[in-house]
Order: sequence, then C-alpha cells, then structure tokens
Amino acid sequence: DTVMTQSPATLSVSPGERATLSCRASQSVGSNLAWYLQNPGQAPRLLIYGASTRAIGVPARFSGSGSGTEFTLTISSLQSEDFAVYYCQQYNNWPRGCTFGQGTKLEIK
Amino acid sequence: EVQLVESGGMLVQPGRSLRLSCAASGFIFDDYAMHWVRQAPGKGLEWVSSISWNSGTMHYADSVKGRFRISRDNAENSLYLEMNSVRPEDTALYYCAKATAAAGYPLFDSWGQGTLVTVSS
Repeated sequence: DTVMTQSPATLSVSPGERATLSCRASQSVGSNLAWYLQNPGQAPRLLIYGASTRAIGVPARFSGSGSGTEFTLTISSLQSEDFAVYYCQQYNNWPRGCTFGQGTKLEIK
Repeated sequence: EVQLVESGGMLVQPGRSLRLSCAASGFIFDDYAMHWVRQAPGKGLEWVSSISWNSGTMHYADSVKGRFRISRDNAENSLYLEMNSVRPEDTALYYCAKATAAAGYPLFDSWGQGTLVTVSS
C-alpha cells in the first residue's frame, strides 16, 4: 500500500499570511493526488484534484503543486474559515484502493 | 443543492450485523458512483467501499473485504452498506460520499454528515 505522510502535524499561521502544507507518498503516485479540508464537526470538502486542479467553487487562494512523491498545498492569504484539518489523498492505484494522509491541523497563531 | 443523509449507525456488539443507509437528493443519482468513507474518533479518513453508477462494479478496502457489502437502489436514490461480523476497529463515523463521475477515480465532491457506528460489548 502507498503510505501518505503529511507534515507538519500542526501548523500555526496568522490570518492573512501564507500557509504551506506538505504531503509525501511512499512511492510515486504521478499526479493522482487530491486535497480535502475538514472544519471541526463537519464533513470534508474537496479542494484540489490531479495535484493542481481546483474543484468547483474553491477560491483561487488555494493552490496545489507537485508530482511523483512530493506535493504541496499553498493557501496564499489565510481567512478565518481556512483554519481546519487538511488531508491529502492518493488514488494512483485505483481501483485497488486509495489512501489518505494523517492530516495537518492548520491553527491560528 | 446536493444532500446526502446517512442513517442506521448505532451501538452494536462485535460479530453482529448492521445496515447503513444514505438518502441522496439534489442531483441525478444514477449519473454518479458513490462511496463510503469512515473516520474513527479523533482519527483520519479511511476509504471503505465504492459502487459504480449502475452497480456493475464494487470495490472494498482490504480491511472490510468479505465482511461488508455495498449496494444502491437508483429508483429510491439510496446507497447502502451492509456490515457483517463487525469488529471494534470498525468503530467510526461513516460518511456517504458522492463521486465526481459515474465511475473512475475516487474523488468525493459531496459528503453527508455521517452516521456513527460503535462496536463494543
């Protein structure tokens, strides 16, 4: 199985600042990588797929990059609603499954 | 507006069975694959199972293969997960999730609020 490792576990950033979250795959997943945001007590929301394509309705301040084993989610200017837990997901070996990272908690500094 | 409403979660003893349901509205249900994703308390996300638009293809995580069965009723806009021989490690909030396409990659663009399954004696 492909293991997804996210770093850091917790990231403290001030509103209006830039946040950079990382996701590493134990083997190449190509560009088959998605990012989700989960606010407390809510269901996850799809942000990015194909490593860099924003889902419908996702603000332009969210951007994804990377390929192979190293991926980055950048939020250019943090808004209050962005402080949440972020998960990366690889789906490169679908339909033999897909796997999520353990999450990065983005908190207000 | 897409709505997914799960039900059926409860406290169940190890080894017993349980059936989860998901009522869908706000979109053409039989145009999309559907999935179950779970989240253990305080933990991350784990994909559980998927079913294509016409029930032609089903997939399962290794952790539930042979114990869980996914199904759908397109006439009723409903998704189901039959859980057999449940284990304590199946304890989680179970989300119903809509895929972005009829089949293909497991990308989830709409989620329900989840139904809680607790496996304990």
